[in-house]
Amino acid sequence: GENVEQHPSTLSVQEGDSAVIKCTYSDSASNYFPWYKQELGKGPQLIIDIRSNVGEKKDQRIAVTLNKTAKHFSLHITETQPEDSAVYFCAPRGPGRRALTFGSGTRLQVQP
Amino acid sequence: DGGITQSPKYLFRKEGQNVTLSCEQNLNHDAMYWYRQDPGQGLRLIYYSQIVNDFQKGDIAEGYSVSREKKESFPLTVTSAQKNPTAFYLCASSPSTTKGDYNEQFFGPGTRLTVL
Repeated sequence: GENVEQHPSTLSVQEGDSAVIKCTYSDSASNYFPWYKQELGKGPQLIIDIRSNVGEKKDQRIAVTLNKTAKHFSLHITETQPEDSAVYFCAPRGPGRRALTFGSGTRLQVQP
Repeated sequence: DGGITQSPKYLFRKEGQNVTLSCEQNLNHDAMYWYRQDPGQGLRLIYYSQIVNDFQKGDIAEGYSVSREKKESFPLTVTSAQKNPTAFYLCASSPSTTKGDYNEQFFGPGTRLTVL
């Protein structure tokens, strides 16, 4: 099965700074790389995803970069705001695998 | 309003009792999933179903059971055989997996189960 590691486990930044979270996976066949955001007491919500044929994808203040050779992908948040405070999960998936394998999560705290 | 509903939000159970968690979706999704989340940890897959009347075990199925009699509903029963059932349970759904491997999973608000 897929082994997924996420770093760091906690991250505190000042409002307006950038934040980067890295996810390392083991299955070289993985071809789908989503990031989910979970606010306190709620279910996770997809914020951005990337497929294996793309190296980078941006959506306003968030971006995901993929390095398939090194088997890792990263979430980048620029100009952080207090509402970005949440737990972020990566969940890579290989072809034919029906469910996601979640990382252990990164708690991001944006200080006003 | 389309989405996934889970009930109840909080559930208390005495040790040795079975309890069933409800999950309903009106997104017309074929696939549904149950995950368990423990404090400070990621989500672990309990069961998933790709189609009505069919389901597969996930990584931590022991002590749990499910049914999928209707497309909209995927209830999870936590049995007395589950040794440490206190956790946050999340249900999710996604469009038909036959349409590709890139389908987003939509999550419900979760049920927090506490065993007394």
